[in-house]
Formats: sequence, structure tokens, C-alpha cells
Amino acid sequence: EVQLVESGGGLVQPGGSLRLSCAASGFTVSSNYMSWVRQAPGKGLEWVSFVSTGGATYYADSVKGRFTISRDNSKNTLYLEMNSLRTEDTAVYYCAREQTTLSYYVDYWGQGILVTVSS
Amino acid sequence: QLVLTQSPSASASLGASVKLTCTLSSGHSGYAIAWHQQQPEKGPRYLMKVNSDGRQFKGDGIPDRFSGSSSGAERYLTISSLQSEDEADYYCQTWGTGIRVFGGGTKLTVL
Repeated sequence: EVQLVESGGGLVQPGGSLRLSCAASGFTVSSNYMSWVRQAPGKGLEWVSFVSTGGATYYADSVKGRFTISRDNSKNTLYLEMNSLRTEDTAVYYCAREQTTLSYYVDYWGQGILVTVSS
Repeated sequence: QLVLTQSPSASASLGASVKLTCTLSSGHSGYAIAWHQQQPEKGPRYLMKVNSDGRQFKGDGIPDRFSGSSSGAERYLTISSLQSEDEADYYCQTWGTGIRVFGGGTKLTVL
């Protein structure tokens, strides 16, 4: 059974940093594209970043240069390092697995973790 | 620019059917999309992928009441025999080289 469990969220001041983790089970993170998607309070889903099976990384313009996606294959875990956080980064962050069949849609979601950026 | 457009809201009666629409931006009518459901206070759940030719690929455990179809740049999600638990937000998603895109979502109210 595929499971994705996020951790590392919480309250951080503007300008601060936070690292989110996503522990995967039931599959190998290095065998799938993996994404982070966020949802600000009362808003829709917003794609943040993804990492390919080959390790290439891509970011939404809103987080480029501030966020870094990575994975640890030995721990089967995906990460999102978030620096220079802004109040507008406040959101529930979801870890997501993408399909591997050249169609890059999310087929499994984590339960989400709340990140609050506030002074 | 790759953009997905959804109506903000829809409503239908218990036991009836509803068809939600996701429209691809100009020049992108050949793209496939995926539909996701988000029930109140829950995380999203993958429902199905819908190709430009209308073929659908459902996620595990998705009831037959949910079906997908296509016409031109529009991708549809039809829910039949509406149940109270179908009241949720529905998002479409697509992908391009180095980018992922979500529609703004449709809030479905079951009357």
C-alpha cells in the first residue's frame, strides 16, 4: 500500500527556514517523479516543485531561489527545504507521488502538513 | 501558457447527475488531465486521468459513478447518482515540460 507521511511543519517567523519531510512506503521514491503541492487557507491547490527520477528539479516561480526539493533514497524520503519564508507561504503542504507512465499526474497524496509564517 | 479553467461552483440534487468541466488553454487541446477530489477538511484524492481521446484511467477504489470524457479542449468529470459524500472541491491537473498546473477548482454542492 502506498503511503506518504509529511512532517516538519509548524510556526516560523518571516525570513526564517523550515524543512519538510515526506516518508514514503509501498514504493521507492527514486522510481517516481515526486512533487510538493500547497494550499493556502481557503484557496486552491498550487504546484510548488517536483523532482524527476533522474534528479532534475523544477520550481514554481513563486518559490524559485528560496525552496529546494531533494530526496534521500536510502531513507525513501522526500524533502522540501524552505528558506526566506514569507507570510504568503503559509499553507498546508502536500507531498505527492506522480505516475511513471510518461503522464505526470499525481496518483497518491500525503495527508498534508501545515506551515504558518507569521511574526 | 498552459492554463486550466474551471467554474468556481456547481450544484445538483441528491441522486441526480452532474458534469464538471475543465478547459485547457488555447494551443493545448491535446493534453491529458487528471481529476482530484478534496472533501471538506481532508487532503486531495486522485480520481482519474482523462486523455484527449476520452479514455479514462481511474484510481484504486473509485466508484463507477465517476466517469471522465473529452471534447476538444474540454475535459469532463461526470458524477452520477450523487451522494452526500460527493460534496467536495474538484480540481483538474495537467503537466508540461518542467511544469505542473492545477485548475482553480470547482466546489460541488449536493442539494
